[in-house]
Amino acid sequence: DTEVTQTPKHLVMGMTNKKSLKCEQHMGHRAMYWYKQKAKKPPELMFVYSYEKLSINESVPSRFSPECPNSSLLNLHLHALQPEDSALYLCASRLNTEAFFGQGTRLTVV
Amino acid sequence: QKEVEQNSGPLSVPEGAIASLNCTYSDQGSQSFFWYRQYSGKSPELIMFIYSNGDKEDGRFTAQLNKASQYVSLLIRDSQPSDSATYLCAVYDHQAGTALIFGKGTTLSVSS
Repeated sequence: DTEVTQTPKHLVMGMTNKKSLKCEQHMGHRAMYWYKQKAKKPPELMFVYSYEKLSINESVPSRFSPECPNSSLLNLHLHALQPEDSALYLCASRLNTEAFFGQGTRLTVV
Repeated sequence: QKEVEQNSGPLSVPEGAIASLNCTYSDQGSQSFFWYRQYSGKSPELIMFIYSNGDKEDGRFTAQLNKASQYVSLLIRDSQPSDSATYLCAVYDHQAGTALIFGKGTTLSVSS
């Protein structure tokens, strides 16, 4: 099983809304990542969790708040987003060498 | 900061031809190199990785690594229209929590 599951697949939210993205893997991977991808651009690293602890925050605005409640689950809490935050949000996990991506959440901020 | 450079393309090849995608990287300490394929609107899918100098073959795909030149390539033999996608070259940045850092990607178009 090399599956990373992200929910929801699509999300439309207003600038005053609070929403959360969810990422789940049951491969025992201890490193998990959030990436943001805009159209025709490569994935851009946002956060890294290692053994459920936040190890890297790539200067992401505080309106994005990550959380790792346990070794299988990674959340990204969203609040007061801007239209320019509309993008594909990708979760990935890694055990040793190979990193696997979820299918992503397509976020539109209106 | 590690950098990964790719020609964004588009690279156009006819069906059945060999597609050659190239990537250079800045950090001489990089050890492992990855090729991801990404269809429009979908997430990246790992297709090949390589650690050692030389060639690594998997079906129609061959990855080539030259550490002295800091150069990685991906050859796709007998290209099919279904290979039309963006190909992302990536390396690990161990200073960024061992996260993948991607090149800008090369868009491949295979015409039938």
